[in-house]
Amino acid sequence: GDSVTQMEGPVTLSEEACLTINCTYTATGYPSLFWYVQYPGEGLQLLLKATKADDKGSNKGFEATYRKETTSFHLEKGSVQVSDSAVYFCALINSGGSNYKLTFGKGTLLTVNP
Amino acid sequence: GAVVSQHPSWVICKSGTSVKIECRSLDFQATTMFWYRQFPKQSLMLMATSNEGSKATYEQGVEKDKFLINHASLTLSTLTVTSAHPEDSSFYICSASRLAGGTDTQYFGPGTRLTVL
Repeated sequence: GDSVTQMEGPVTLSEEACLTINCTYTATGYPSLFWYVQYPGEGLQLLLKATKADDKGSNKGFEATYRKETTSFHLEKGSVQVSDSAVYFCALINSGGSNYKLTFGKGTLLTVNP
Repeated sequence: GAVVSQHPSWVICKSGTSVKIECRSLDFQATTMFWYRQFPKQSLMLMATSNEGSKATYEQGVEKDKFLINHASLTLSTLTVTSAHPEDSSFYICSASRLAGGTDTQYFGPGTRLTVL
C-alpha cells in the first residue's frame, strides 16, 4: 500500500537557519503530495501541495518540489522564524478510482529558538 | 474561513463507558468528514469516511460497532467510542471537506484527547 516516510525529529534550529525536512513516498500511480503544519493547540493546516511531477509548491517561504525520479517531496525554507515552530506532516493522496484518502508520515517536530 | 472545531478537546472516562466526540464545520458545509486516530509519535491513521446522510465507510481493522459515526447534517459529525477500554486511549482528529469523497482540501479540527482509565 501507499506510505510516507519523513525524517524523525525533533529538529531544533536557531532563527534564520536553513530548514530541510526530508520526505519520501511509496505509491502506485501518480499521487498528489502535501505538507501540513500543526501549530501548538491547533488543527492541521495545509501548507503547500503539488499535484504532478516537477511541480513546486510554495507558501509562507516554504517550498517543496515533487520529484518523481526520487519519489521525494522535501520541505525547505531558507530562513526560519520562531513562529515556524510546529509539527510538519508530509502526506499524499493517491486518487486511483474514487479513493481520495490522505496517507500521512509520522510528523516532524520543529523548534526554532531566538 | 474553513474552520473545524471539535468538542471536547480532552476527555477522561472510566472503562466500559461510552464517549461522544463532536466535529463541526463552523463556516462551510462539509459533504464529507473524516475521522483519524493518532498515537504518540505516529502518523494519523484514517478510521472512517462519512458522507452526509450516508453510512460511514470504515477502514480495514476498525470496528464499526465500537466506533459509531454519525453524519446527520452538513456541519456536524459525531464519533462515539462505545464500551471504551484503556487501549482506546488516543488522540482523535476529524477533518471536513466541501466536496464528496474528499476531493477538495480537507480542513482539520484541533483534535480530542481521550484517556480511558
